[in-house]
Amino acid sequence: DGGITQSPKYLFRKEGQNVTLSCEQNLNHDAMYWYRQDPGQGLRLIYYSQIVNDFQKGDIAEGYSVSREKKESFPLTVTSAQKNPTAFYLCASKDGGNSYEQYFGPGTRLTVT
Amino acid sequence: SQQGEEDPQALSIQEGENATMNCSYKTSINNLQWYRQNSGRGLVHLILIRSNEREKHSGRLRVTLDTSKKSSSLLITASRAADTASYFCATAASGNTPLVFGKGTRLSVIA
Repeated sequence: DGGITQSPKYLFRKEGQNVTLSCEQNLNHDAMYWYRQDPGQGLRLIYYSQIVNDFQKGDIAEGYSVSREKKESFPLTVTSAQKNPTAFYLCASKDGGNSYEQYFGPGTRLTVT
Repeated sequence: SQQGEEDPQALSIQEGENATMNCSYKTSINNLQWYRQNSGRGLVHLILIRSNEREKHSGRLRVTLDTSKKSSSLLITASRAADTASYFCATAASGNTPLVFGKGTRLSVIA
């Protein structure tokens, strides 16, 4: 899982509560990404950031928010506006320049009841 | 939007056999990557092939790319039980655009 940590591994919340998922990397990578994975499905991009203090929406940004105040940190908040938040959330990072491969964290499984 | 589509969705083989997975995509790409995911874990990068390359090898892995057909294949030779995982292809339209992942192929290697 490289130098990316996600915490916690399992998270349980009641419907209507906001929850923040942590993602930290010590790889000195410029770009960071948040993906959502549902059972038997591929990864869908929620948000990404290519530089500190800047981020862009991915394909399914509604109901989520992010911040990128430090290069090594890219927390994701799942808000109460997200209709179906129960999923496996993966954070990734990528070096800048000519590097293309992404390094993934171990993931956080969020269950909202 | 998920550009890559892997085929088959699931594959079950005996240890020692070769496993072939295919990926099709829709738009022009800068590169195509293959990742592996063990159950409940993060993805691990396996191999990258650029749009101007046709074949690439890494250990027991062989990747081909046919840009005219917008397709790629991943071959794992002499499979092992430890190769049991889901395999995803991911495409990038350029070096700085986010990757677009397919839904994956679930490979089961039976000892």
